[in-house]
Amino acid sequence: AAGVIQSPRHLIKEKRETATLKCYPIPRHDTVYWYQQGPGQDPQFLISFYEKMQSDKGSIPDRFSAQQFSDYHSELNMSSLELGDSALYFCASSLGELNEQFFGPGTRLTVL
Amino acid sequence: AQTVTQSQPEMSVQEAETVTLSCTYDTSENNYYLFWYKQPPSRQMILVIRQEAYKQQNATENRFSVNFQKAAKSFSLKISDSQLGDTAMYFCAFMTSIQGGSEKLVFGKGTKLTVNP
Repeated sequence: AAGVIQSPRHLIKEKRETATLKCYPIPRHDTVYWYQQGPGQDPQFLISFYEKMQSDKGSIPDRFSAQQFSDYHSELNMSSLELGDSALYFCASSLGELNEQFFGPGTRLTVL
Repeated sequence: AQTVTQSQPEMSVQEAETVTLSCTYDTSENNYYLFWYKQPPSRQMILVIRQEAYKQQNATENRFSVNFQKAAKSFSLKISDSQLGDTAMYFCAFMTSIQGGSEKLVFGKGTKLTVNP
């Protein structure tokens, strides 16, 4: 069965640079969630989209923005990167809201 | 706001034995979902088991079962016949079931489980 695809899997950036993380949900899934997991931490919710509209927002810095496109894939744009942004970024998808969320393998971002 | 508490940062168990991981949560809602996720060293988040709050029957998935005590707001995970592959971080998570509400997952801090041969 098809799973959630995230690219790239690993990303190394310098401070103050910009990064774009991509997420391709499971086919037919219309809802995408982004989570950030710092080292030794639990995943923290950043933002979610349902049918290409933002549906909820968590503790996402103003330097970050995201959107969901017409094909339901989503991109998380991160600007003015800081050392503290180094983390594993998960995308999850579901069919509609309030359904099981399937997680992608994550993108490991390292900011030097 | 909902909170999820896992009071056991680390646990260990011998292969083939049974272990129980604890989770408590706080919410004012009556309907919601609870989950246990497994995160092995690969860091992949894998759903282990799911419980709907309106269901009185405890969920079971093969060697994994839960003890859901709604009044006590407790949701423990029992792993029977532990296997080396069960070694992982286990996260308890809460999700609202209110349409139009926040459908994000709220995670506990996790319990690191080690299965010893």
